[in-house]
Amino acid sequence: GENVEQHPSTLSVQEGDSAVIKCTYSDSASNYFPWYKQELGKRPQLIIDIRSNVGEKKDQRIAVTLNKTAKHFSLHITETQPEDSAVYFCAASLSGGYNKLIFGAGTRLAVHP
Amino acid sequence: GAVVSQHPSWVICKSGTSVKIECRSLDFQATTMFWYRQFPKQSLMLMATSNEGSKATYEQGVEKDKFLINHASLTLSTLTVTSAHPEDSSFYICSALTGRQETQYFGPGTRLLVL
Repeated sequence: GENVEQHPSTLSVQEGDSAVIKCTYSDSASNYFPWYKQELGKRPQLIIDIRSNVGEKKDQRIAVTLNKTAKHFSLHITETQPEDSAVYFCAASLSGGYNKLIFGAGTRLAVHP
Repeated sequence: GAVVSQHPSWVICKSGTSVKIECRSLDFQATTMFWYRQFPKQSLMLMATSNEGSKATYEQGVEKDKFLINHASLTLSTLTVTSAHPEDSSFYICSALTGRQETQYFGPGTRLLVL
């Protein structure tokens, strides 16, 4: 089955710096890759997603890149702000069927003022 | 749009009792719902996939007789933790999607504490 590895487990940056979180997946058939942000005690919130027919996607300060050959995808946050502090999860799934998501272990991002 | 609710938000129960958690899609029909469990500082672990009108599909290692799932309508799925024990204490989160849409929308979660 699918396995998703996520690095780093913790990331500390200064406000205004960029943050990069990387994930690798094992199943080459996976074709949908969402990123979720989870604040303490709250539900995961989708922040961006990418499908396998696209190499990069941007939404304001957030971007995701996908390398299908290497089977890895990354989240890039620019101009980080203290409110970006949270746990970020990557996930992978097969499109269609039950759309089961397999999550990475998570990255705890701390943005210091 | 795409709002998912859960009830209750937290529950404390005695060991050996059963607890029911409801997951509702408020503004869309959810053909598929998922149930996850999340321990402190850990990732979301998929427990089961629930499709309206059919039996749930459980992940390996999840006891179907202990975690009963019923997806009775296109807007409601329930998870019943039967004969709960302290090790069942966790954060239970549901998610829902509709039709061919791939985005999973998560409920706010239910924190269960078994004494």
